[in-house]
Amino acid sequence: LAKTTQPISMDSYEGQEVNITCSHNNIATNDYITWYQQFPSQGPRFIIQGYKTKVTNEVASLFIPADRKSSTLSLPRVSLSDTAVYYCLVGRDSGGYQKVTFGTGTKLQVIP
Amino acid sequence: GAVVSQHPSWVICKSGTSVKIECRSLDFQATTMFWYRQFPKQSLMLMATSNEGSKATYEQGVEKDKFLINHASLTLSTLTVTSAHPEDSSFYICSARVGQLNTEAFFGQGTRLTVV
Repeated sequence: LAKTTQPISMDSYEGQEVNITCSHNNIATNDYITWYQQFPSQGPRFIIQGYKTKVTNEVASLFIPADRKSSTLSLPRVSLSDTAVYYCLVGRDSGGYQKVTFGTGTKLQVIP
Repeated sequence: GAVVSQHPSWVICKSGTSVKIECRSLDFQATTMFWYRQFPKQSLMLMATSNEGSKATYEQGVEKDKFLINHASLTLSTLTVTSAHPEDSSFYICSARVGQLNTEAFFGQGTRLTVV
């Protein structure tokens, strides 16, 4: 499984755009990049997934450069409720399923 | 999205007793479920992969005789912590995938286990 590296923590003011970058230098050809959000004492929640270029949904955007060795999660206009830990995962199929293994994550603190 | 439900949400047990945690996929069939453990301020650690109708696959360092996993149906997997000790106190989370290839995983709300 590809190893990921993220900043341990980030602070942002309410209303600002937040970009969290993840490095995954040994990503494999068939790997997808997935981001999850976790609040304290809750299970992780899927945010977005992508393979290359840019993916956007109603909560975030994911930017992936051509070499796919990194990815950036972009959260537009964050609010206090976005304070959480954000995990970047890169997975590989094995026997028809993908084990989801978490790295250290980035703790985002949104400040009023 | 798909819903994965865990029960109980929290449990306190005495040292030496066993505790069973259930993980259910409510609106889809999950041939594969995953069990994680998370200590305070740490990331999730994958413990084992649970396959319906077959033995679970445990990650290195996880004692299979202590953490018994049963995946008897396509919607239910159970984790039993046997002879629990205080060091087993943790947040246990299950997840299940819809489909097979590179699809998102849905997570349960987690179970807080406290062994006293």
